[in-house]
Amino acid sequence: EPEVTQTPSHQVTQMGQEVILRCVPISNHLYFYWYRQILGQKVEFLVSFYNNEISEKSEIFDDQFSVERPDGSNFTLKIRSTKLEDSAMYFCASSTYYEQYFGPGTRLTVT
Amino acid sequence: AQSVTQPDIHITVSEGASLELRCNYSYGATPYLFWYVQSPGQGLQLLLKYFSGDTLVQGIKGFEAEFKRSQSSFNLRKPSVHWSDAAEYFCAVGAQNSGYALNFGKGTSLLVTP
Repeated sequence: EPEVTQTPSHQVTQMGQEVILRCVPISNHLYFYWYRQILGQKVEFLVSFYNNEISEKSEIFDDQFSVERPDGSNFTLKIRSTKLEDSAMYFCASSTYYEQYFGPGTRLTVT
Repeated sequence: AQSVTQPDIHITVSEGASLELRCNYSYGATPYLFWYVQSPGQGLQLLLKYFSGDTLVQGIKGFEAEFKRSQSSFNLRKPSVHWSDAAEYFCAVGAQNSGYALNFGKGTSLLVTP
């Protein structure tokens, strides 16, 4: 069964550093998403991406965040200058329409 | 404002007992609804979904959910719980006028006792 994959599974970085989180969506899906889950809190929407552009973003997704689909398979989330409060589990998801399938997540720890 | 409420933070049931997890939503538009399950250290697995039509939907692992528009609820049920069902359960809601972004509840942690 096709699935969304994410790398790395765990990333540790120092405050102020740039990180790139990678995702490979399900191959025939057209919509891509990033969500985050701070420890002990609910899953929060960050951004959705369709047809090579951002289609929707939350107020969390500020100028330090960016997304890209550099080739036909990968979908990336870049955080330019990480802060302590960026520590969270980041989930990638993809869909053909409304039904979203999630990857296993990348746990980002900012020290 | 759009919101999703899961009133129960923790629920404990005995193996073999029935289960109901509650989810209430407040949305201006017609919602579409999901239940996801998250096992420790794992991602979010889709259990079931409701878009339209029959208000009782069947999902994987023996779960079902009923959409009640009058009560703005989408409760998840299972007639007989197995120890492997212990996990975190999230209700998620979207609406056609808000793109495809999902709004998640805070989750209900299910503990299954022998």
